Amino acid sequence: EDQVTQSPEALRLQEGESSSLNCSYTVSGLRGLFWYRQDPGKGPEFLFTLYSAGEEKEKERLKATLTKKESFLHITAPKPEDSATYLCAVQARGATNKLIFGTGTLLAVQP
Amino acid sequence: ETGVTQTPRHLVMGMTNKKSLKCEQHLGHNAMYWYKQSAKKPLELMFVYSLEERVENNSVPSRFSPECPNSSHLFLHLHTLQPEDSALYLCASSHALSPGGNSRSYNEQFFGPGTRLTVL
Repeated sequence: EDQVTQSPEALRLQEGESSSLNCSYTVSGLRGLFWYRQDPGKGPEFLFTLYSAGEEKEKERLKATLTKKESFLHITAPKPEDSATYLCAVQARGATNKLIFGTGTLLAVQP
Repeated sequence: ETGVTQTPRHLVMGMTNKKSLKCEQHLGHNAMYWYKQSAKKPLELMFVYSLEERVENNSVPSRFSPECPNSSHLFLHLHTLQPEDSALYLCASSHALSPGGNSRSYNEQFFGPGTRLTVL
């Protein structure tokens, strides 16, 4: 069964304190792995898509990496505005567009 | 309007009411989705429409009824809901995948702001 597990559930950082969020997955043939950011009361905002092991994508203070079993979202020198829930999702090869989501990591960055 | 819009943003209804959620996308996509998001649970896919045809229905109770009149609009009709149906309902859109789509097909899903539903 396709599955996504994110850790930690919650993470509190001081401003400028770099860290990483983990997304472990099992899927019957990976089409793509997606990272989203979700602010309270809003819909998820698309961040990155990764398609194959070894691939990396960057956007401002965020960098996403992918292996055959997991993905990391590295946050370098975070700021309070990076506080949000970060969601990971995988899509299996096949005819449908279905995404399997994890439960997310709630990140709080304190000034 | 840009992106994916949803109305209403908040809805409170009784168990005997009938209401509808509306979603509209302005991204030129041809696949649309309904998701349910409950506290401490992963986003749960409810329905997928691709090229205006329903292609996935994850055993959702019949009290939820989707409608996709064209590639830009999606509705979720609600009737005789239960308190446990209270949640954030999210609409998303993307380009449709073809069955033989390669691994780099651009299938990012873009979400609307959601409708916060409370069933009393």
